[in-house]
Amino acid sequence: DVKVTQSSRYLVKRTGEKVFLECVQDMDHENMFWYRQDPGLGLRLIYFSYDVKMKEKGDIPEGYSVSREKKERFSLILESASTNQTSMYLCASSPRVREQYFGPGTRLTVT
Amino acid sequence: DAKTTQPPSMDCAEGRAANLPCNHSTISGNEYVYWYRQIHSQGPQYIIHGLKNNETNEMASLIITEDRKSSTLILPHATLRDTAVYYCIAFSGGSNYKLTFGKGTLLTVNP
Repeated sequence: DVKVTQSSRYLVKRTGEKVFLECVQDMDHENMFWYRQDPGLGLRLIYFSYDVKMKEKGDIPEGYSVSREKKERFSLILESASTNQTSMYLCASSPRVREQYFGPGTRLTVT
Repeated sequence: DAKTTQPPSMDCAEGRAANLPCNHSTISGNEYVYWYRQIHSQGPQYIIHGLKNNETNEMASLIITEDRKSSTLILPHATLRDTAVYYCIAFSGGSNYKLTFGKGTLLTVNP
């Protein structure tokens, strides 16, 4: 079974803090994705990566950056957390651009 | 990607088959039909996908009409753990890498 793990299920941070969300997959997938999900807005793509050290912006990259130094690990960084970044963050991986396998999600609250 | 239309909610008795419909009348020839589901407070889960032939896996069956304008996801013996929001997506993959979930169908399996 494909396994995608995320570093935390719940996280509470203060405004202005730097936040790291980590995602690890164990299936040697080339593609990895970061989404956020908010009520009424659905799933929105923040960044994705199709190879080590490669990244592409999604629909809402502002305020975020990513890092992919190893194939199995894709990190999302909030440089200076703000309250409007309170959300559910979902990581996914994919062997090709079709079925994506999601992690359990991190519910981030910024106060 | 083609727009899909699903009923907002459905009920099913435990142990019975759950048949979830999806309309995708503008689907193009290279678009696959994908199904995901999301159990409350968890990450989305890939279920199945197909192009024009019916498909079956350990989770579900996918029936696509001959004209490809609609499809039905079948959970043959629904359990309480199948209560979730089910999303039908028409997706071609390729350079269009992001998943866009609509509102989906909330399936409630009743004891």
